Amino acid sequence: DTEVTQTPKHLVMGMTNKKSLKCEQHMGHRAMYWYKQKAKKPPELMFVYSYEKLSINESVPSRFSPECPNSSLLNLHLHALQPEDSALYLCASSQSRNTIYFGEGSWLTVV
Amino acid sequence: GESVGLHLPTLSVQEGDNSIINCAYSNSASDYFIWYKQESGKGPQFIIDIRSNMDKRQGQRVTVLLNKTVKHLSLQIAATQPGDSAVYFCAESANDYKLSFGAGTTVTVRA
Repeated sequence: DTEVTQTPKHLVMGMTNKKSLKCEQHMGHRAMYWYKQKAKKPPELMFVYSYEKLSINESVPSRFSPECPNSSLLNLHLHALQPEDSALYLCASSQSRNTIYFGEGSWLTVV
Repeated sequence: GESVGLHLPTLSVQEGDNSIINCAYSNSASDYFIWYKQESGKGPQFIIDIRSNMDKRQGQRVTVLLNKTVKHLSLQIAATQPGDSAVYFCAESANDYKLSFGAGTTVTVRA
């Protein structure tokens, strides 16, 4: 079982809504990630936080806003999304650059 | 010359047989590689990793082989079981926190 917990598991939101995805890990990992995965495609990196600081932003549109309140939590704030943003959003964590562990993901549908 | 395994998007295997999943990576600077298994509706699950200073690593029923000369990675699963049915992704990293995934191979185990 994964030790990276994501909530909610499913989210349906309108294009004018503001919502957030949440991720939590208690493995003491110092790096946390957001990935996006479309159906039948590999995960694509969105953001990396290292020691609670944003270290990588893969040119993600500003309608996605990450936040790392502390070393165990990672949020992804969503605002004014488009239907093409519907996907599985995966959170992951790792200790330095070693094994990256993924959560089960949050299925997002934008209507 | 040495043959290089082709990446196949799908692989059908008889239960009890051995499976070989191939992956070609593109970045010569990549020095860390991971294989993930992703079952339907779940997040990627770590299987095994290997660093570029090794060419083979074994786990429980799985073996990863790395050929840096031709930039090729393979995952061998011994005595394939129905529970091994999933999508398998290779991923590479080049001395940073970015993990790039391959296209994935869907493995179906026939009873």
